[in-house]
Amino acid sequence: QVTMRESGPALVRPTETLTLTCTFSGFSLKSTGMCVNWVRQPPGKALEWLGRIDWDGAKYYTTSLKSRLSLSTDTSGTQVVLTMINMDPADTATYFCARTHALVGDFFDYWGQGAQVAVSS
Amino acid sequence: EIVLTQSPGTVSLSPGERATLHCRASRSFGTTYLAWYQHRPGQAPRLLIHGTTSRAPGIPDRFSGSGSGTDFTLTISRLEPEDFAMYFCQQYGNSPRTFGQGTRVDIK
Repeated sequence: QVTMRESGPALVRPTETLTLTCTFSGFSLKSTGMCVNWVRQPPGKALEWLGRIDWDGAKYYTTSLKSRLSLSTDTSGTQVVLTMINMDPADTATYFCARTHALVGDFFDYWGQGAQVAVSS
Repeated sequence: EIVLTQSPGTVSLSPGERATLHCRASRSFGTTYLAWYQHRPGQAPRLLIHGTTSRAPGIPDRFSGSGSGTDFTLTISRLEPEDFAMYFCQQYGNSPRTFGQGTRVDIK
């Protein structure tokens, strides 16, 4: 059974760095084809794909956030960390981690419940 | 970037009724690269349909997907109480992957 869960602060100040952790079970990021993505949804807006880290260590980021966003994984292959620098109120959103499988297609077959992050002074 | 526009924004229906949700793309991205998700408040989004028409494992057959080109549809043949939720579409035929803004299915 695959589960995914996001954790991190609910409030960050403008210009600070956001760190969110996605902890998952039921699969390993070391398994061929496995990918973990981050997606966010600002209040009242559509979901936005942010980035992805793959089983082979490859990383992909949305163009608009490439300079502020980084993804990393732990040695066990069961956590992915999102780091976003220089946070702005426009980054207020619910942040989700979600799995895709490179050999099947870029649809998200499992998601976490999401972590609400507010950016405010 | 491909923009997905979902309609209607909200639909109010009764249990047992049929729901028809639309997702229109700003341009074609490959007919088989569309997914649908259900999202209930406070829960993780759930994959319903991928490849435009393929139900994900465990998804009841009252959910069906169709479409081609730029127009896609999710149909719920007979609404059950647990189906009242938000639904959104996603394309994965073109980068970046993009989502529709969602359709809310409310109880009438």
